[in-house]
This record gives sequence, C-alpha cells and structure tokens, in this order.
Amino acid sequence: DAGVIQSPRHEVTEMGQEVTLRCKPISGHDYLFWYRQTMMRGLELLIYFNNNVPIDDSGMPEDRFSAKMPNASFSTLKIQPSEPRDSAVYFCASSFRGRSSYEQYFGPGTRLTVT
Amino acid sequence: QKEVEQDPGPLSVPEGAIVSLNCTYSNSAFQYFMWYRQYSRKGPELLMYTYSSGNKEDGRFTAQVDKSSKYISLFIRDSQPSDSATYLCATSGGLYNFNKFYFGSGTKLNVKP
Repeated sequence: DAGVIQSPRHEVTEMGQEVTLRCKPISGHDYLFWYRQTMMRGLELLIYFNNNVPIDDSGMPEDRFSAKMPNASFSTLKIQPSEPRDSAVYFCASSFRGRSSYEQYFGPGTRLTVT
Repeated sequence: QKEVEQDPGPLSVPEGAIVSLNCTYSNSAFQYFMWYRQYSRKGPELLMYTYSSGNKEDGRFTAQVDKSSKYISLFIRDSQPSDSATYLCATSGGLYNFNKFYFGSGTKLNVKP
C-alpha cells in the first residue's frame, strides 16, 4: 500500500486566495483525520470523518475552513480566504476501527505558506 | 490549559545515553496513551501505545503511564543517532471519543554520535 497520499506537498499562496488541500486515505480505512501543525500550537486535530461523515469539527478554527469527504478514497480541506496565520503543515491521517485503531497513519503533510 | 503538556526540549544527548521524555495530561477519562515519532519533514508515526496504567517495553523503548499523577513517560535505552527525531505523546478520550487524539507539542531529541 502506498500509504496516505497528500497533495500538494508544498503550497505558497497570497493572502485572500482559496487553498485546497487533498488527501487519499489508505484503502479500507474508515476514519480520516485532518491536523494542523505549527511551532506555537503543536499538532491540532481540525476535523475527523467516519465512513465519509464528519464526526467532530470542533477543531476547525473558523468559517474560512471547510472539509469534505465525497467518497471513501478522497477528502479535501479548503481555506477561503487564506490568511498569513494559516501558514502551517497540514496532515491527513487515516485509521481502521479494529484491533489497531489507536494507530493513525499520517501522510507526508502539505506545507502551506500564505504571504 | 491544553489537554496534554509536554516538556519542550530540545534535548541533546550522547550516543548510548538513556533518554527520558515526559508528558502530563489533564483529563482522568483518558485511557489510551501513545508515543509518536516524527522525523524532520515527515508525518508522525506510531512508536508505542499503552492502555491505562503500567509499563510496556519494546526493544530499547519503554512506555510508562501513571494515571494517579496523570504522567506519561518514554524511556529510550542505548540511544542511537537514528533516534534523533521529535517525539510526540498523545492520549485519546476513551470508549466514547476514542478517535479524538490530543497531542503534546513534541520534544525534539538529538543523539550525538
């Protein structure tokens, strides 16, 4: 298996632009997570899905952020409009609710820079 | 107050040293405790997990949980340069919120040859 795939790996955009981050979870996994990592705040859970349904979005910072999971193999995190304080590394992770459900498999991350 | 607090580091030790990494957590309902390792420019990967209190050993690594004091520890024996990474502790909310993980901010470890 190729693991969790994220694209793009790097994104540089100007303030006010729309940014879309993409994630393909590991096949067969039924949970998908979006995290944000910064030096100041560490790794924070933004939202997670179970069987394509959003379960907990309490970590989404504000209405500028939205996430969708139209099917089991694809999810997007959108920021519109983007601001410099959104600069961070965004990780997608997936897991399977089974014997090893404590293990979340992380993608390589998308490094977002908003200027 | 953050759900999980972690010693900020960075921590620099000579090869072969014993390393102790520590976290505290706030919610007594947390039952699952994990250590993730993150190499530079990579995503975190699970290193060890424990359920409730006690110790768990895996090779050179030992994870320890003391629920009475809400304290989580990771010990690395005979540390190697390849152990140089950021170590993140994590907990989860138990049976009804199992998949919501709370991560510490990470301790950066450098093992010098």
